[in-house]
This record gives sequence, structure tokens and C-alpha cells, in this order.
Amino acid sequence: KAGVTQTPRYLIKTRGQQVTLSCSPISGHRSVSWYQQTPGQGLQFLFEYFSETQRNKGNFPGRFSGRQFSNSRSEMNVSTLELGDSALYLCASSRMTGTTNTGELFFGEGSRLTVL
Amino acid sequence: GENVEQHPSTLSVQEGDSAVIKCTYSDSASNYFPWYKQELGKRPQLIIDIRSNVGEKKDQRIAVTLNKTAKHFSLHITETQPEDSAVYFCAASGAAAGNKLTFGGGTRVLVKP
Repeated sequence: KAGVTQTPRYLIKTRGQQVTLSCSPISGHRSVSWYQQTPGQGLQFLFEYFSETQRNKGNFPGRFSGRQFSNSRSEMNVSTLELGDSALYLCASSRMTGTTNTGELFFGEGSRLTVL
Repeated sequence: GENVEQHPSTLSVQEGDSAVIKCTYSDSASNYFPWYKQELGKRPQLIIDIRSNVGEKKDQRIAVTLNKTAKHFSLHITETQPEDSAVYFCAASGAAAGNKLTFGGGTRVLVKP
């Protein structure tokens, strides 16, 4: 079974630009979450999508957005990039049996964004 | 919202010794507590988890204990090996939080041969 796939793996942008990151979850997983990982702030939750609906949102500004498609693939977008947005963005999928279960997250290898 | 504190931030042990990492959480409604291991340059992977209806769980050399009253949980690694060297993250989640995990700051474990 293929794991969680994220593209692109590395990208460099300049301040003010926007970026779109993509995530393909494990087949059959309907929940997709996004996390930002930085050396200073650790792993911080961005948002979670389930059945094409945003179910949870972390404490990030509105410049960070996401969506999920009917095949469970997800994208996240960051607009008007700032230097502080440089980070590893991790996508994780989960096999859900209900709407309130929390279970194992399977992480992708991440997309490393550098903002110059 | 939930807040998870993790200690220590770094831990150096001799091969064969035990390692203990402790976490505290703030939200008494949290009921799921996983531990993830992240090796250098790799993705985080679940190594063990515990739910609030259980006080202790063990899997070979790894064990996790949970004290709901004190709102803290700990990871115990016995007979450490060089391949245990990694960053370990604890996390917490509530019943209504879906797959939203609040992570601790991480513990960098170095096992010296």
C-alpha cells in the first residue's frame, strides 16, 4: 500500500508570493491533516479535512487555507508569503471509523518551504 | 485550547540504560495520547499510544503510563539501543477534536554506544 505522498518536496519562494502544496493520503483514508514543523515552534496543527469539509482549524492566519477533493486528496495554500512561513509542512492521513475517533496519523515526508 | 509541555528537551543515555520522557497536558477532556518518533530527515511515526481508560501500555521495550488526575503521561524506553536515537514527540487529543493533535515540543534522545 502506498504511503502518504506530498508534492513538491522542496520549494523556494520569495516574500509576497503564494504557494500550493499537495497531499495524497493512503488509499481508503478519508481524514487529512496538515501540520507545520519548525525548529522553534515544533509541530503545530494547521487544519483537518474529512469528507471534503474542514473539521478543525489551528491558530494560523487566514493566509493559510486548504481544501479536500472527493478522492480525499488535499491541498493547502499559503498566500502573501512571509519569511516566518519557512518550515516543513507535513500532511497526515488517518483511517476514520467515525467523526470523533482519534487514531494513528500516517505522515508524509513533507514539503520543505523556504521563503527568501 | 490544549497545551502540552514536554521534558526534557534533550536526553543523552548510555546504550542499555533506560530513558524516560514526561509530558503534561492542560485539557482534562483529552483522552488520546500518542507518541511519535522522528528520525533525522524522516517523517514522524507512531510508536505507541494510550487512551484515557487505560493507565499503562507496553510494547516490547517501550511503555507509556498515564495519570489522568495529575494530567501527565510518560514514555519509558528500556535497554536503549543506538537506533533509538531520534526526536520523540508526545501529543494529546480530545474526543471532539477529530484528528487534531497538540504536540509537545519534542525530546532529542541520543543513545551513546
